[in-house]
Amino acid sequence: DTEVTQTPKHLVMGMTNKKSLKCEQHMGHRAMYWYKQKAKKPPELMFVYSYEKLSINESVPSRFSPECPNSSLLNLHLHALQPEDSALYLCASSPGGRGKRWAEQPQHFGDGTRLSIL
Amino acid sequence: DQQVKQNSPSLSVQEGRISILNCDYTNSMFDYFLWYKKYPAEGPTFLISISSIKDKNEDGRFTVFLNKSAKHLSLHIVPSQPGDSAVYFCAEGSGDKLTFGTGTRLAVRP
Repeated sequence: DTEVTQTPKHLVMGMTNKKSLKCEQHMGHRAMYWYKQKAKKPPELMFVYSYEKLSINESVPSRFSPECPNSSLLNLHLHALQPEDSALYLCASSPGGRGKRWAEQPQHFGDGTRLSIL
Repeated sequence: DQQVKQNSPSLSVQEGRISILNCDYTNSMFDYFLWYKKYPAEGPTFLISISSIKDKNEDGRFTVFLNKSAKHLSLHIVPSQPGDSAVYFCAEGSGDKLTFGTGTRLAVRP
């Protein structure tokens, strides 16, 4: 069982739709991440939240809008996506903590949401 | 520009033998590396890590070696088992974010 839960597992949407991806963890982690993974490629970082505040945005288009309502939840709001946005979207968390290099902390990944844009 | 590279996209090994997965990096300032394993339809899972103050780290069947002068690291799996069949990513974690390598698909033949 994964400790990071992502819903839905699959999502098909049109280019004019608005949808949201959800991620939840109850490990008390204070850093949460969104990654995008295309077929046969490595995961690419999109956003990092630390203590519920956005700390890294990897120049992601505004049609992707992250939200961290509380320390356990992370959402990714989608609007007016393009066919090239079809991918596996992965959420991850790590303990975080101030004064530490987060990337050294093993990240716990969810199983992802496979998104298809028609 | 890919700063972490895994030049072998795939590797096939007989069960019980050693699997060696390689990773090269370009930035000599990188000082912390991690290996993740990914099964289909699942997220990556952390395997093992190494800091540049070491040249070897071992955890059960998994050993990671770091050669700083060559900017090269490798993951050894001994003995290999069919359940090890997966995609393996090396990653560098010297800052606030992970940068993944391109991945190597390992197939362990029974």
